[in-house]
Amino acid sequence: DAGVTQSPTHLIKTRGQQVTLRCSPKSGHDTVSWYQQALGQGPQFIFQYYEEEERQRGNFPDRFSGHQFPNYSSELNVNALLLGDSALYLCASRSWMGEKLFFGSGTQLSVL
Amino acid sequence: AQSVTQLGSHVSVSEGALVLLRCNYSSSVPPYLFWYVQYPNQGLQLLLKYTTGATLVKGINGFEAEFKKSETSFHLTKPSAHMSDAAEYFCAVSLPGYSSASKIIFGSGTRLSIRP
Repeated sequence: DAGVTQSPTHLIKTRGQQVTLRCSPKSGHDTVSWYQQALGQGPQFIFQYYEEEERQRGNFPDRFSGHQFPNYSSELNVNALLLGDSALYLCASRSWMGEKLFFGSGTQLSVL
Repeated sequence: AQSVTQLGSHVSVSEGALVLLRCNYSSSVPPYLFWYVQYPNQGLQLLLKYTTGATLVKGINGFEAEFKKSETSFHLTKPSAHMSDAAEYFCAVSLPGYSSASKIIFGSGTRLSIRP
């Protein structure tokens, strides 16, 4: 079992650009959520996807959007990047009726 | 609204000494409480979780935590620290139930260092 996998592991972008991060959930999981972890901080919930729909959303602007595919994998898109978007982005998966989250190792995004 | 406060951003103990990481929470309803560990360049790993029932929760790697409702605390302890325990530890809270299981509110973390 590969667990939760994320790609790429590292990414460097420039202010104003757009970025797409990808996540494959653990086998058997159908629910994916995304978190942003700024340096020295705890992760912050961005949103959750189930059945290809956004089910819950944290306090993030509309520049942050996502998508879930029929195979349960997910993408996080961030438009008009700001310096403050530099962070580790974590993907987590679970089964909808389950309560334990499994986290990936994250994508480190640097915005210059 | 829910929130978590971790007391001490950095804790240093000697190998073999007691580990105590402090966490206080705020929640309008009886919450689920968690401790996660994060090693460098890795994701988060669940150490232990409190939902209902027994207030002393045992987790992996010899860690345990006690839920104290009257003190709104959920402190993490380990009787004897090992060098491999050096990591960042996060206390977290969520609403009960599977529909809220993905929306976890994390504290700002405590970095645990172990002195030889």
